[in-house]
Amino acid sequence: DTGVSQDPRHKITKRGQNVTFRCDPISEHNRLYWYRQTLGQGPEFLTYFQNEAQLEKSRLLSDRFSAERPKGSFSTLEIQRTEQGDSAMYLCASSVNGRITGELFFGEGSRLTVL
Amino acid sequence: GENVEQHPSTLSVQEGDSAVIKCTYSDSASNYFPWYKQELGKGPQLIIDIRSNVGEKKDQRIAVTLNKTAKHFSLHITETQPEDSAVYFCAAKTNTGRRALTFGSGTRLQVQP
Repeated sequence: DTGVSQDPRHKITKRGQNVTFRCDPISEHNRLYWYRQTLGQGPEFLTYFQNEAQLEKSRLLSDRFSAERPKGSFSTLEIQRTEQGDSAMYLCASSVNGRITGELFFGEGSRLTVL
Repeated sequence: GENVEQHPSTLSVQEGDSAVIKCTYSDSASNYFPWYKQELGKGPQLIIDIRSNVGEKKDQRIAVTLNKTAKHFSLHITETQPEDSAVYFCAAKTNTGRRALTFGSGTRLQVQP
């Protein structure tokens, strides 16, 4: 399968714990995005990378959230001291920079439940 | 920043009927408008898109129209089938400022057989 891969697909954690999600984009894609989706809502932008550089972060990305893409390939999204409000689906997407339309290819998401 | 509003939030149609979903955007600099379909337990998947230099685009049973003056765009699905049942999201992107897509809140389409 050459699509966007996310791991784990589901994570249940207790409030206050740290969690980390991993995203492996499509191999030739140099842009990688993280979005958050809550029930009944559209995806909300969190941050994106071009290669290893983090070019933009949303105001939604509080200081408890950190994302990295160390070698311009896979990315991790870490949430420290989780809160119940962090419960959501975390979606990763990738695209090719330079294409006019910049179609995003999404993974199937990592669902986080904070108890 | 960009704000995208989408309606209706739910839409139920009979198989074979047409479905129309409408979106408005706020940033006049937006120039790319994709539509994504999300099935249960999956990530969104692009079904059709349109750029601001085009007023209409069609792909088989799916069409998108764009009115730049009014800043709204619509998705039209004809001859709906049960497998069209899903959540549909519109989105917009600008070439200035934020380079990521801003999504609408989604429309849950139910096609009744």
